[in-house]
Amino acid sequence: QVTLRESGPALVKPTQTLTLTCSFSGFLLSTSGMSVSWIRQPPGKALEWLALIDWDDDKYYSTSLRTRLTISKVTSKNQVVLTMTNVDPVDTATYYCARTTGNSGWLLFDYWGQGALVTVSS
Amino acid sequence: SYVLTQPPSVSVAPGQTARITCGGNNIGSKSVHWYQQKAGQAPALVVYDDSDRPSGIPERFSGSNSGNTATLTISRVEAGDEADYHCQVWESSSDHAVFGGGTQLTVL
Repeated sequence: QVTLRESGPALVKPTQTLTLTCSFSGFLLSTSGMSVSWIRQPPGKALEWLALIDWDDDKYYSTSLRTRLTISKVTSKNQVVLTMTNVDPVDTATYYCARTTGNSGWLLFDYWGQGALVTVSS
Repeated sequence: SYVLTQPPSVSVAPGQTARITCGGNNIGSKSVHWYQQKAGQAPALVVYDDSDRPSGIPERFSGSNSGNTATLTISRVEAGDEADYHCQVWESSSDHAVFGGGTQLTVL
């Protein structure tokens, strides 16, 4: 059974760094073809893909946010960590991690965590 | 960057057929995936690779993709199908995932 769970602060002040952790079970990120992504959704708005890390430690980032994001993995702990620097109120959103599978032509998100609501406010 | 366009809302009576579109430049050459997001919940995959269904998804959910439009079709709509639906592709030229703006399905 595949499960993912996001954890991190519910409230962050503007200009601070946000660190979110995705803890997962039921699969190994060391398995060829396996990846984990972070996706966010501001209240009432669309989904926005942020970053992906794969089994080979390759990393991919949203073009608009790449200078502020870092994704990493702790394979031994089955965790993926996302850091976002210099947060702003527009970064207020529910942040999801999702298992990502498929090939280079059609990656998809087949299992999702329940999401973590992060509010950026002073 | 690649853009996916969805209608903000679609309404349908119970038992009827709902069709939700996802427009993109030559989207027919890409694999399209669809997610259902019920109120207060995380998205869940309902159709992948244009027209395949994960295990546990009813046959009432189907998909197609050709030209500049992909379509999610829900037959014999039930009250429990009321949700937001999001289309998604992987843009391999830039190694980015792209989502549509989402469509709110209302069951009248």
